[in-house]
This record gives sequence, C-alpha cells and structure tokens, in this order.
Amino acid sequence: AQKVTQAQTEISVVEKEDVTLDCVYETRDTTYYLFWYKQPPSGELVFLIRRNSFDEQNEISGRYSWNFQKSTSSFNFTITASQVVDSAVYFCALSEERQGANSKLTFGKGITLSVRP
Amino acid sequence: DAGVIQSPRHEVTEMGQEVTLRCKPISGHNSLFWYRQTMMRGLELLIYFNNNVPIDDSGMPEDRFSAKMPNASFSTLKIQPSEPRDSAVYFCASSRTTFGNEQFFGPGTRLTVL
Repeated sequence: AQKVTQAQTEISVVEKEDVTLDCVYETRDTTYYLFWYKQPPSGELVFLIRRNSFDEQNEISGRYSWNFQKSTSSFNFTITASQVVDSAVYFCALSEERQGANSKLTFGKGITLSVRP
Repeated sequence: DAGVIQSPRHEVTEMGQEVTLRCKPISGHNSLFWYRQTMMRGLELLIYFNNNVPIDDSGMPEDRFSAKMPNASFSTLKIQPSEPRDSAVYFCASSRTTFGNEQFFGPGTRLTVL
C-alpha cells in the first residue's frame, strides 16, 4: 500500500479559481512530519511547508493554505485565487519517526496543476 | 547562500558508456539524498548518506549504479554501463540530519542514454 496517496493526477482550472490538492497518508508512527513541495516547469523541487503530527493547526501563507486532519490522515493544500504561475507539479511527502534520526521522505506521485489564463 | 549544486545539468551519452553525476550539498547539511524521477515511476529515492556514510541503498536499481561521498561537500552517482532505461532526471538533495527537517533539492541532471 502506498504511504502517500495523491489520488488526483491532473487538475486544470481557470485563473482566479480556488483549487484544493488532496494528500492522504498512511503510517503507524505517532510522530511524523508531512511536507508539500512544488516542481514548476523549470524542474527544480521547491519546499513549501512542513507540519508535524502534533500540530493540527491550519496554516495560511498568502494565497496558500494547508488543512491537516489526523482523523482522516489527510494534509490538503488549497490555493486561493489561482494564478498562471501556480502551474506546477505538487508533491506531498511523509517522514516517519521509525526512520530514526534521518530525514528520509516518502513522496506521493504528484499532482499536475494547470492554471489557464 | 548557495543551494545544492549539481553537474552536469544535461548529459547525453550512448548506451554502454560510463556516466558520473556530481553533487555539492548545502554547507552544514550532513544528510545527502540521490533521487531519480521518471514519468513512469515518479520520484524514487536511490540512496542516502548521513555524515558521508551510506545508510540505505535499497533504492539503487542494480549493480550498475554506485554512489560515493568522499567528504562532506561532494558526492557522485555513477552508472556503468549506462542503458537507455536509465534516462531520467537525477536529483540530489541535502538536509540537516534531524528527524523532520526539510530536504533542499538541486536543479537536477537530465540524463539521456541513446
């Protein structure tokens, strides 16, 4: 079974629409971290956010917000008023305590977001 | 501050040739990761090092692949002999070796094996 599932493979929206990218994870650890990365067309992977398993507060950063719900093992990412520059592949990732003092990540398969003008 | 540096950015080679990819992690980061990204398989972790020591190489596809980290500021990923199915983007990433730290990725090396 996949540890990080991003069921949506491709999403296309028109500029200014809101869009939510889903991420469902699976772990038996009580201590873990969740991440979102962005991969724009230029190819590099850019870190967006990290959340630990003990902090279920939602996070907002400008047009970006993240909703972490342990009850449903989800860590969803919402872009409000999307822009063309948001077009990218977005990856959700998990780091589990069982990995020890390593920051090994397990990535989902990514969601390709296209924002049309 | 300089980010993770990878070279070359693009490599085109013929089947059977040796390929060496290079990575310089961010100064002060003591964990280094090599990933491979393809359309079919997505982002795969090949190997990672802590304090220059290989910790987990279970993702290395076969013996044709090898990785070294002779010092804290340099790592190589070697493919010998290369095959067309090795064509992919290879990323290097580094982080501080503390559980939960984010990884910072290099720009990647796009490898094409003809």
